[in-house]
Amino acid sequence: GAGVSQSPSNKVTEKGKDVELRCDPISGHTALYWYRQRLGQGLEFLIYFQGNSAPDKSGLPSDRFSAERTGESVSTLTIQRTQQEDSAVYLCASSSDRATNTIYFGEGSWLTVV
Amino acid sequence: GNSVTQMEGPVTLSEEAFLTINCTYTATGYPSLFWYVQYPGEGLQLLLKATKADDKGSNKGFEATYRKETTSFHLEKGSVQVSDSAVYFCALTPNTNAGKSTFGDGTTLTVKP
Repeated sequence: GAGVSQSPSNKVTEKGKDVELRCDPISGHTALYWYRQRLGQGLEFLIYFQGNSAPDKSGLPSDRFSAERTGESVSTLTIQRTQQEDSAVYLCASSSDRATNTIYFGEGSWLTVV
Repeated sequence: GNSVTQMEGPVTLSEEAFLTINCTYTATGYPSLFWYVQYPGEGLQLLLKATKADDKGSNKGFEATYRKETTSFHLEKGSVQVSDSAVYFCALTPNTNAGKSTFGDGTTLTVKP
C-alpha cells in the first residue's frame, strides 16, 4: 500500500479482555516498529522487527504483551488481559534497511480499556 | 546503547519568535539524524534529516545541522507561526544497515498569536 496501515483505528474493550492490533507496513520495508504513546506523552518503544525476527523486544512492558510478524509483512500486537493502564495509542512504523531512510508511521490504533 | 536526549518541554513562544529545540545523541560511528513532527491529532511525519556530519537538513523554514564534534542536531526556526504548534521528536538511525532507530522523548511547542 501507499503508507503504513493500522487497524482497528479505534478500539474500546473491557478490562480483562484480549485485543489484537494489526499493522500493514509499506511493501518492501524490512524494519517494523511498535510504539506506545499515552495521551500527551512521548513515544514508548515496544518492539523492533527486522524481517520476521525481533532482535529487540526489550520495550514490551509485561508478558501480557506479545507481537509477531509473518511474511516479512503484516505484524500483530496482542495484549492479553487488558488493564486500564494499557489505554493509549499504539503506533506502528516501518522503514527500509538503509540507515538514511525515513521511518514512516501509521495513524495509530487508539485503545481504550474500560 | 544508542540514545537521544531532547530539551524538555513544554516550550511556549509568541508568534515570530526564534525557536531552538536542543537534541544531543550518543551513538557509535556516524548515524543518520532526523526530526519528526506530530501535529495535534495526527501521526508522526518526517520534518527533516541529515545523513552525514556537517550536513544541514531543512524544511518549512526549520533547519538542523549535524554536528559530530558536539554530537548535536538542534532544531531551529527563525520565526515561528501558530501552525508550528506540535510535538517535535529527534531520532537517530545507526549507520549499519538493519540498525534500530532511537527516538527522543519529544518536545511540545505551543506558539501563541
